[in-house]
Amino acid sequence: GAVVSQHPSRVICKSGTSVKIECRSLDFQATTMFWYRQFPKQSLMLMATSNEGSKATYEQGVEKDKFLINHASLTLSTLTVTSAHPEDSSFYICSAREFRGNTIYFGEGSWLTVV
Amino acid sequence: AQTVTQSQPEMSVQEAETVTLSCTYDTSESDYYLFWYKQPPSRQMILVIRQEAYKQQNATENRFSVNFQKAAKSFSLKISDSQLGDAAMYFCAYTRNNDMRFGAGTRLTVKP
Repeated sequence: GAVVSQHPSRVICKSGTSVKIECRSLDFQATTMFWYRQFPKQSLMLMATSNEGSKATYEQGVEKDKFLINHASLTLSTLTVTSAHPEDSSFYICSAREFRGNTIYFGEGSWLTVV
Repeated sequence: AQTVTQSQPEMSVQEAETVTLSCTYDTSESDYYLFWYKQPPSRQMILVIRQEAYKQQNATENRFSVNFQKAAKSFSLKISDSQLGDAAMYFCAYTRNNDMRFGAGTRLTVKP
């Protein structure tokens, strides 16, 4: 099946710094990628939707200046958490919609810890 | 925004038995897609089964099948011959165009 790679799987950063998470579709073109945040024992919370070559669409309550999303190509989207704070610590997961169909595949997720 | 409801926070099934997980959704659209994803402790989201709303035939994937009732906006997942490896969180999801929503999830326990 289609593969979506997310990197890094775990990252620890200091408060106030920025951290970038990459999401790559390895064997298909992804016109749309989604970024989610998942709190312990909860469902996935959609943060934003990104389309290749255009600005991301953020969900209500998600700070676009804090969570920068770039979808520069059909196979890569990045999420940058800027000026990270301990409350940003969470599990972040991306997904990608296969261009030819409507199946959505997920990356492995990234654990972010801000100390 | 579309909503997806999973009314069963937890379910339990005996190994080799059958279990059904419920999911309802709210939409005014006629063309959309529905999914069931499995999330084991590793947190990897694994696609279990996919259903196109325009297809009346229920999707099946080996031991997994769905009961898709479009008029009732219901999309339940049946797991037959349950195995220990089926234990996980299961999420129902709705998508149309650039919108994708998840239910709250159902934690499935499989008893040996």
